[in-house]
Amino acid sequence: KAGVTQTPRYLIKTRGQQVTLSCSPISGHRSVSWYQQTPGQGLQFLFEYFSETQRNKGNFPGRFSGRQFSNSRSEMNVSTLELGDSALYLCASSQLSTGGGYGYTFGSGTRLTVV
Amino acid sequence: DQQVKQNSPSLSVQEGRISILNCDYTNSMFDYFLWYKKYPAEGPTFLISISSIKDKNEDGRFTVFLNKSAKHLSLHIVPSQPGDSAVYFCAASKGGGANNLFFGTGTRLTVIP
Repeated sequence: KAGVTQTPRYLIKTRGQQVTLSCSPISGHRSVSWYQQTPGQGLQFLFEYFSETQRNKGNFPGRFSGRQFSNSRSEMNVSTLELGDSALYLCASSQLSTGGGYGYTFGSGTRLTVV
Repeated sequence: DQQVKQNSPSLSVQEGRISILNCDYTNSMFDYFLWYKKYPAEGPTFLISISSIKDKNEDGRFTVFLNKSAKHLSLHIVPSQPGDSAVYFCAASKGGGANNLFFGTGTRLTVIP
């Protein structure tokens, strides 16, 4: 079965712009989580959606937002981009309502570069 | 505040030898620990996990050891193979759930043929 699909794979934006990233989970998976990966910081949890509802949010500013659609596809949006937002953004989907790292399947990520 | 720490950013090992990757955590509430492996241009893939009620879990060449009193876990790969070369992330969870998954900064393992 198809894995987690993230689009686009690469993105270059300028400071002040906004960006929308997309994630299509594995068919049947209802939980989608987003992580930011930067050198030296590992993977930082952004937020988790389950059945179109944001269940949990990490410690990121309000410029970072997301949503989930009825087909479980999810988008995350970053407004007023800053240079420090340059990172690999990873999406993970899970079938279980409680997620659980062992149930995750990660996508390949979107590499965002802010110039 | 990094609650899960991997203090070695890189490790090089000869093929056939043992690779030992270390991870420390600070939060005693963590009760589930996982290792993920990441190749360039791919997302992390789950490797092995251990519950806090155990001190060892083995899966083929991979063994994870947990020392709760020291808040330390390690991943042993024996024998190491060139295909094991990747970045390894340690993660910890409080009762499961995406919101409770804390990752370390990763260790890049290079297995030299």
